[in-house]
Amino acid sequence: AQSVSQHNHHVILSEAASLELGCNYSYGGTVNLFWYVQYPGQHLQLLLKYFSGDPLVKGIKGFEAEFIKSKFSFNLRKPSVQWSDTAEYFCAVNARNTNAGKSTFGDGTTLTVKP
Amino acid sequence: DSGVTQTPKHLITATGQRVTLRCSPRSGDLSVYWYQQSLDQGLQFLIQYYNGEERAKGNILERFSAQQFPDLHSELNLSSLELGDSALYFCASSVGQVRIDEQFFGPGTRLTVL
Repeated sequence: AQSVSQHNHHVILSEAASLELGCNYSYGGTVNLFWYVQYPGQHLQLLLKYFSGDPLVKGIKGFEAEFIKSKFSFNLRKPSVQWSDTAEYFCAVNARNTNAGKSTFGDGTTLTVKP
Repeated sequence: DSGVTQTPKHLITATGQRVTLRCSPRSGDLSVYWYQQSLDQGLQFLIQYYNGEERAKGNILERFSAQQFPDLHSELNLSSLELGDSALYFCASSVGQVRIDEQFFGPGTRLTVL
């Protein structure tokens, strides 16, 4: 069974600080990896995804994530956060090349950026 | 706007009752997923349908059922409701089923069971 662990439940940063949110997954096979963001009062939307190729993935709004296979990690980074990045961030994984549509989500990390 | 619509936005009901949540996927998407987001359990996958057929099941209670209709909209039926069923229920859609692509989420239905 797949599982996803997000290490930080709540992160508080000042504007212009750098961000790194941890995500580790547990699964024996090949996976697809995602980061979703949920802004206050809005629905989840995709930040970035990794299927194959370059393990450094760039997403929207200046976010990037690096897939480190040996560490089963897919950490999210942003060099300089803005107040508008305040949101909840979810890491998700699903098994590739199966007919199982389920994505397993982490518990989420709430990011608060102070102006 | 993701293109996925969900109705109603809010639903308040009593324990023991039954409710139906509705989801319309993005145009062209054949897969529909249902998720439950509660404070204590995070975002949990419930069930997936692809082109009318059930494809994957997650942590869905026996009191809950879903279906996807020929026009591809989906309904999630929750019966014998309990206080613990209070949560946000999200629907998502994607184009395919096997090689999972980005899931587009709807705005959710907030269910409150009193």
